[in-house]
Amino acid sequence: NAGVTQTPKFQVLKTGQSMTLQCAQDMNHNSMYWYRQDPGMGLRLIYYSASEGTTDKGEVPNGYNVSRLNKREFSLRLESAAPSQTSVYFCASRTTRAGELFFGEGSRLTVL
Amino acid sequence: AQSVSQHNHHVILSEAASLELGCNYSYGGTVNLFWYVQYPGQHLQLLLKYFSGDPLVKGIKGFEAEFIKSKFSFNLRKPSVQWSDTAEYFCAGFSGGYNKLIFGAGTRLAVHP
Repeated sequence: NAGVTQTPKFQVLKTGQSMTLQCAQDMNHNSMYWYRQDPGMGLRLIYYSASEGTTDKGEVPNGYNVSRLNKREFSLRLESAAPSQTSVYFCASRTTRAGELFFGEGSRLTVL
Repeated sequence: AQSVSQHNHHVILSEAASLELGCNYSYGGTVNLFWYVQYPGQHLQLLLKYFSGDPLVKGIKGFEAEFIKSKFSFNLRKPSVQWSDTAEYFCAGFSGGYNKLIFGAGTRLAVHP
């Protein structure tokens, strides 16, 4: 039972490059989330998808785009990476209306 | 704006000491609150959650939290910490409905043997 799977786990980019973080969950959850974690700032919500076919901005959406490809997959794209986007990114999913989040292992991104 | 705040950013304790980590939320209405833990190098795991009912919630590994509506607080407690409790702890709650879960800045706990 894999839960929430993120790829890649590590990535180094140069400023201006683009990349996509992939996330897939096998728990049949409706809602999926992307957070970034930075020292002293906790987790900040980038985008979320309450259900297949919908996406909404979180607290820090600038510089990111998302796609809810189907119920299982939710990708995060950086079109033109900036050093300020150096962070650890976590994908999460959730089932019931007010249920807990289940997190992936995280993706560590460095932008030079 | 609705928010979740944690007072202590770094806490250092000796083994067997008691722990209390503060969490305050700024929104009203129906409140659902969570405490998550992140051990070094790992992803977040749920410690406990409050949805309704008994305001004293018990979680895994001997942790508990008390929801005090009048103080807008949901503090995490443990009577006697162990070295293995060294981790970062996050309080979280919903903002603007049941889809947007936001987190506090976290409290980094170091327990010395």
